[in-house]
Amino acid sequence: EADIYQTPRYLVIGTGKKITLECSQTMGHDKMYWYQQDPGMELHLIHYSYGVNSTEKGDLSSESTVSRIRTEHFPLTLESARPSHTSQYLCASSDEVDSGTDTQYFGPGTRLTVL
Amino acid sequence: AQSVAQPEDQVNVAEGNPLTVKCTYSVSGNPYLFWYVQYPNRGLQFLLKYITGDNLVKGSYGFEAEFNKSQTSFHLKKPSALVSDSALYFCAVRAYTGGFKTIFGAGTRLFVKA
Repeated sequence: EADIYQTPRYLVIGTGKKITLECSQTMGHDKMYWYQQDPGMELHLIHYSYGVNSTEKGDLSSESTVSRIRTEHFPLTLESARPSHTSQYLCASSDEVDSGTDTQYFGPGTRLTVL
Repeated sequence: AQSVAQPEDQVNVAEGNPLTVKCTYSVSGNPYLFWYVQYPNRGLQFLLKYITGDNLVKGSYGFEAEFNKSQTSFHLKKPSALVSDSALYFCAVRAYTGGFKTIFGAGTRLFVKA
């Protein structure tokens, strides 16, 4: 079944640790996105990609980095986690072929807590 | 500047009553408009979209939305609310801002009381 997956779902980690949040989609979508969302609050776009080897920063300044080596995989990395990184991170993908409308399909999210 | 506004942080409605969640936008050109829903501890889920054509768009779970160009609005509606509709609702608009971009509203929390 075509879907979008995020792992881990929950992560509690100490300050200064390096972490990678995984996102994979089996829908063959070219576009992928990372959003940061405090619980129940608005979404902030932090990174996006229009295809393999394409990555761009979003509207919200973020200390994270992303890579897009394969179409289906769009991991987000924090080199040194800080308490200010505590948030929910949502991954999404979309298919430009869908009339160019950018209907986005979201993963379940990763809830990150940095102590 | 391109923007989308959800003027209500929270909407309360009794089960069985009609519900409306408001959205207005400010973009140049013809926008694509979307509604997404987020249940607790979940990602966003696509509900419906307007591209062109009929101003009334029907989506999942009995929801519909009406595009009003003169009022630049795209309000989400449902004739009879269910307790299970309680969630966070996001309006979004796709518009050209030096490149096509999807802008999300701040979200409206819907509470449906039994």
